[in-house]
Amino acid sequence: NAGVTQTPKFQVLKTGQSMTLQCAQDMNHEYMSWYRQDPGMGLRLIHYSVGAGITDQGEVPNGYNVSRSTTEDFPLRLLSAAPSQTSVYFCASQGLTSPLHFGNGTRLTVT
Amino acid sequence: AQRVTQPEKLLSVFKGAPVELKCNYSYSGSPELFWYVQYSRQRLQLLLRHISRESIKGFTADLNKGETSFHLKKPFAQEEDSAMYYCALSGLGNTGKLIFGQGTTLQVKP
Repeated sequence: NAGVTQTPKFQVLKTGQSMTLQCAQDMNHEYMSWYRQDPGMGLRLIHYSVGAGITDQGEVPNGYNVSRSTTEDFPLRLLSAAPSQTSVYFCASQGLTSPLHFGNGTRLTVT
Repeated sequence: AQRVTQPEKLLSVFKGAPVELKCNYSYSGSPELFWYVQYSRQRLQLLLRHISRESIKGFTADLNKGETSFHLKKPFAQEEDSAMYYCALSGLGNTGKLIFGQGTTLQVKP
């Protein structure tokens, strides 16, 4: 099993550009979420989903959109990138009885 | 407010010394507590969850509801334990959503 797969691993954007971070899981997990990791801040929840067609905001949702059209995929969209969105982004999934599984992360730099 | 606090950004010990990574939490209901570890340039991995009450890689953690703490302990640190450690909290039923602490970097010197 691949587990949780994130693409790309690295990305550099200019301010104002948009992009989508991809996340896919092959464990048939109901729950998926996006976190950002910043020094001294730990991981903060951006958006999460409890199943296909259902999403909700986390602690820091501004500037990000998500959708969950299938159980497997949970893309994160940056509509207009800002330097404050420079971070490492982690996607995670979880089944009813399993712990949270993380992807390898996407390191995003916005100049 | 729901919050997880790890007071130490960096903990540096010598190989063979005991280790205690502190974690305190604030939560009004019945929380589930976790420790995650991130080795250099790798993904976060679950190390411990309090409901399992198990020891992984020599680490243990006990939930103290009176002190609202979930400190991670290991009697003899190894160099391969060097990593970033995150304490996290989930409310029962809030599957998929974790509140993380700021993280503590453990550095084990030879």
